[in-house]
Amino acid sequence: GENVEQHPSTLSVQEGDSAVIKCTYSDSASNYFPWYKQELGKRPQLIIDIRSNVGEKKDQRIAVTLNKTAKHFSLHITETQPEDSAVYFCAASEGDSGAGSYQLTFGKGTKLSVIP
Amino acid sequence: EPEVTQTPSHQVTQMGQEVILRCVPISNHLYFYWYRQILGQKVEFLVSFYNNEISEKSEIFDDQFSVERPDGSNFTLKIRSTKLEDSAMYFCASRRDFSSYNEQFFGPGTRLTVL
Repeated sequence: GENVEQHPSTLSVQEGDSAVIKCTYSDSASNYFPWYKQELGKRPQLIIDIRSNVGEKKDQRIAVTLNKTAKHFSLHITETQPEDSAVYFCAASEGDSGAGSYQLTFGKGTKLSVIP
Repeated sequence: EPEVTQTPSHQVTQMGQEVILRCVPISNHLYFYWYRQILGQKVEFLVSFYNNEISEKSEIFDDQFSVERPDGSNFTLKIRSTKLEDSAMYFCASRRDFSSYNEQFFGPGTRLTVL
């Protein structure tokens, strides 16, 4: 089955700096890679996702890059703000193939702290 | 915006008791999931459900677990005889379809505490 590794487990940055979180996956059939933000005691919420036919996707201060050959994908947050402080999870699934249940395999999470 | 809802928000039970966790997925969604998150750990897949049957389950989802869609709106997870290690946050998620839009929407979770 799929295995997703995520680094670092904790990350502290000064407000205004950039934060980068990296994930690797094992199953070459995975082609959908979402990132979820989870605030303390709350549900995971999708912040950005990328499909395997795209190398990069950006949404305001958040961007995700994907290297299918190396099976790496990364989350980049620029101009970090205190409200970005949360746990971020990467995930992978085999989406859009027309078969299967497309369950998500999550990484272990990165606790991001943005210091004002 | 429609959301996945779950009840109860917190369930405390004695070891060996049965619990039923309830979810109401988003109304036009076709795929339903249960995940669990042990405190401080990652979210783990338990089971997926499509067209009134289980489509995939993980090794965690043993004979103590079952899922059901008893009517057109609810989706339930039953744990027959709870163990201490079942203590976790249980998230329900739903997904519209398999064609081109893959986002899974998560509910707020049910915190299960087994004493």
